[in-house]
Amino acid sequence: NAGVTQTPKFQVLKTGQSMTLQCAQDMNHNSMYWYRQDPGMGLRLIYYSASEGTTDKGEVPNGYNVSRLNKREFSLRLESAAPSQTSVYFCASSEPVHGGEQYFGPGTRLTVT
Amino acid sequence: AQSVTQLDSQVPVFEEAPVELRCNYSSSVSVYLFWYVQYPNQGLQLLLKYLSGSTLVKGINGFEAEFNKSQTSFHLRKPSVHISDTAEYFCAVTSNAGNNRKLIWGLGTSLAVNP
Repeated sequence: NAGVTQTPKFQVLKTGQSMTLQCAQDMNHNSMYWYRQDPGMGLRLIYYSASEGTTDKGEVPNGYNVSRLNKREFSLRLESAAPSQTSVYFCASSEPVHGGEQYFGPGTRLTVT
Repeated sequence: AQSVTQLDSQVPVFEEAPVELRCNYSSSVSVYLFWYVQYPNQGLQLLLKYLSGSTLVKGINGFEAEFNKSQTSFHLRKPSVHISDTAEYFCAVTSNAGNNRKLIWGLGTSLAVNP
């Protein structure tokens, strides 16, 4: 039981490049989330998927897209990376009927130069 | 709308001393409450949660928190801290109605335990 896994762990991009962050969970959770974490700003929700087949914007969606590929997988895509997207990205999953506690992956540290 | 305020951004404390990390929330509906811990360069891990029942909740690593509805608070306490408790602590809240369990997060409290 791996919980929530994320790939890659580290990534360096040049401005304008694109990339996809992958997330998978093996807990059969319905809901999945993407956050970014920046110093002094806590966790900010980028996008979430309440259930398979649905996605919704969070508080900072600009510059990102997501795909809920199936119940297990939820990817985050940066189409044209900008230095302002330098951050640590966390994926999380939860099962709302169990109270909604979220389980987090180990994070992806992204630097855009 | 809901919001969470963690009243201290940094808390320095000596080893074996007690500590309290303060969290206040605002909400027009009933809530579930959570405390998470983040060790350096790691993801977040659930410390404890309040869903219903007893207002005193015990979690992992000797931490506990008390839900106070009248004061809209959910303060985290530990009677004697260790060096290994040095970490970032986050308080979070969500509505207990419906199936939308987006968490609203505080900005975090950095606990530094000194020898």
